[in-house]
Order: sequence, then C-alpha cells, then structure tokens
Amino acid sequence: QVQLQESGPGLVKPSEMLSLICTVSGDSLSSYYWSWIRQAPGKGLEWIGNIFPSGNINYNPSLKSRVTISVDTSKNQLILKLNSVTAADAAVYYCARHMAGGRGAYYYQYMDVWGKGTTVTVSS
Amino acid sequence: SYELTQTPSVSVSPGQTATITCSGDKLGSKSASWYQQKPGQSPLLVIYEDWKRPSGIPERFSGSISGNTATLTISGTQAMDEADYYCQAWDNTAVVFGGGTRLTVL
Repeated sequence: QVQLQESGPGLVKPSEMLSLICTVSGDSLSSYYWSWIRQAPGKGLEWIGNIFPSGNINYNPSLKSRVTISVDTSKNQLILKLNSVTAADAAVYYCARHMAGGRGAYYYQYMDVWGKGTTVTVSS
Repeated sequence: SYELTQTPSVSVSPGQTATITCSGDKLGSKSASWYQQKPGQSPLLVIYEDWKRPSGIPERFSGSISGNTATLTISGTQAMDEADYYCQAWDNTAVVFGGGTRLTVL
C-alpha cells in the first residue's frame, strides 16, 4: 500500500526558500504523476504543481515563477522548492499521488493518495 | 484562469440526502473529482471521474455531472459525514479546486 510522508523545516524566514521532501513508500515514483498541494490556515486547497518523473512538469500559473518541483528517483522522493516566501505561503503542504489519463476526448486527473501534510510557518 | 464555484455551506439532518454542487464553465466536458476533509486530516478522495467511488468509500456517496455542474450526493447522511468537501477538475494542464463546502449534519 502506497504511503506518502512530507518532511521539512516547520519554520522559514520571509524572503528565504522553502524546501520540502515527500518520501514515497510502497510504490515506484516512476510510475505515476505526483502533486504538491497546500492549504493556508482556514482556507481551501491550492494545487501547486505536479511532475511525471520522466520529465513532464506542470505548475499553478500563480506560483510558477517561484516554484520548482523535482524528484530523486534513487531515494523515491518528491521535492518542492518555493523561493521568496512571504506570510501568504504559510500553510499545510501535502504531497499526493496524481492519477491522469484519458479515453478519447475525455481526460481525467485526480489525487488518490495523500500524505498527512507538514505545516510551514513563515516568520522572522 | 478556470474557476470552480461551490456553495460555502450545506446543512442536512441525519438520514436525509445531502446535495453539494460545483459549477464551472463547460464542466460537463471535463472530469470532476470530490474530496472529503475532516478537521486536522488530509483530504480523502470520495469520487473520481465524475461518478466512480474508490474502494472503501460507502455506497451512500455518489457523483454526477451535467452541463456546467457536478454534484456530490450523500444519501442517508450520517454524523460521520460532517466535513468539508472540495470538487476538483483539470483545465489546460492545471488542477483546479473549488472553494469548498462545509457540510453540517444537524
């Protein structure tokens, strides 16, 4: 059974870079898309971006200029880097397995397995 | 950018049917998914590809889509179904979430 575990510093200073890792167990990173999603306190879900380990990467247009998503297949880890953070980036950050496919003109994408999330605070 | 709109809150009595809607331009031509999130927990997929239920999700959860609206229906709502529900679709390489609906079981 696939399991995802996010990790990283819980506190980041304003203007610095946030770096998080998602360790995947029970499945190969190479077989699926993987997403990062965040949720600010009391707010809804915001998709950050996804990656297919062979190289296809998509980002939320609103974050694209500050975000980098990559993978370390040797460690079966998904990596998120977000630079120039502000208080607005404080959130619970989740990684998730991202299913994607299509049948004819019908395309689907959804996230079927989620990690427990890691809380990031932005403060000096 | 693409937007999905949900009613912020829905209330239902135990045993009754809860209906949660999600609207977006030409949503019926896309694929909708639904997530349940309880306080302090990560989201849980309850419906994918418009109407399919993942293994382990009770049959009382069902989904449909038509025109510009996707609908999540919970039949015989139970107290344990009280949660936030988010719809999700995909548009032009980007994943989009609705703003969420808080379901209260009174």
